[in-house]
Amino acid sequence: GAVVSQHPSWVICKSGTSVKIECRSLDFQATTMFWYRQFPKQSLMLMATSNEGSKATYEQGVEKDKFLINHASLTLSTLTVTSAHPEDSSFYICSARQPDYNEQFFGPGTRLTVL
Amino acid sequence: SQQGEEDPQALSIQEGENATMNCSYKTSINNLQWYRQNSGRGLVHLILIRSNEREKHSGRLRVTLDTSKKSSSLLITASRAADTASYFCATDANAGKSTFGDGTTLTVKP
Repeated sequence: GAVVSQHPSWVICKSGTSVKIECRSLDFQATTMFWYRQFPKQSLMLMATSNEGSKATYEQGVEKDKFLINHASLTLSTLTVTSAHPEDSSFYICSARQPDYNEQFFGPGTRLTVL
Repeated sequence: SQQGEEDPQALSIQEGENATMNCSYKTSINNLQWYRQNSGRGLVHLILIRSNEREKHSGRLRVTLDTSKKSSSLLITASRAADTASYFCATDANAGKSTFGDGTTLTVKP
């Protein structure tokens, strides 16, 4: 099956710094990728839809200036958490849609801890 | 609100017993997927069932889909302690976004 990777798998940073998370589709080209956030003991909440070559579409309540998304190529989308604060500590998961099949494939997730 | 809703929210069984989890959703879907997540870890894809399928098997897993009732069930047979995890259903609708339910936390006691 299709593989989606994320890097890093975990990151600890100081409050006020920015953190970049990468999402890659390893064996297929993904015109659309999705970013999710999961707080402890909660479900995954869609943050934004990342479209290759165009601006991301953010879900209601998600600050686009805080969570910068760049989908520069058909295999890479990045999420940058700017000026991170402890309340941004969460599990961030991306997924990629394989265009030939009507299926999404999920990355393993990145755990962000902001001190 | 979430598209998918699982029930029960929590399930505790003895090793060897079967575990059944249900998922209901609101709108038409292309497919429905079940995922497992161990505490603090990423998602593990279990099974995908398409809207034109009614039942799928994978090892000890059996998934059913009833599009008329907008519901799906995941059955884990002969459960093991290693099956302890949270289980989510995710619906994939025409908008292209997957929407997750709140999950069922399964505890299998040895």
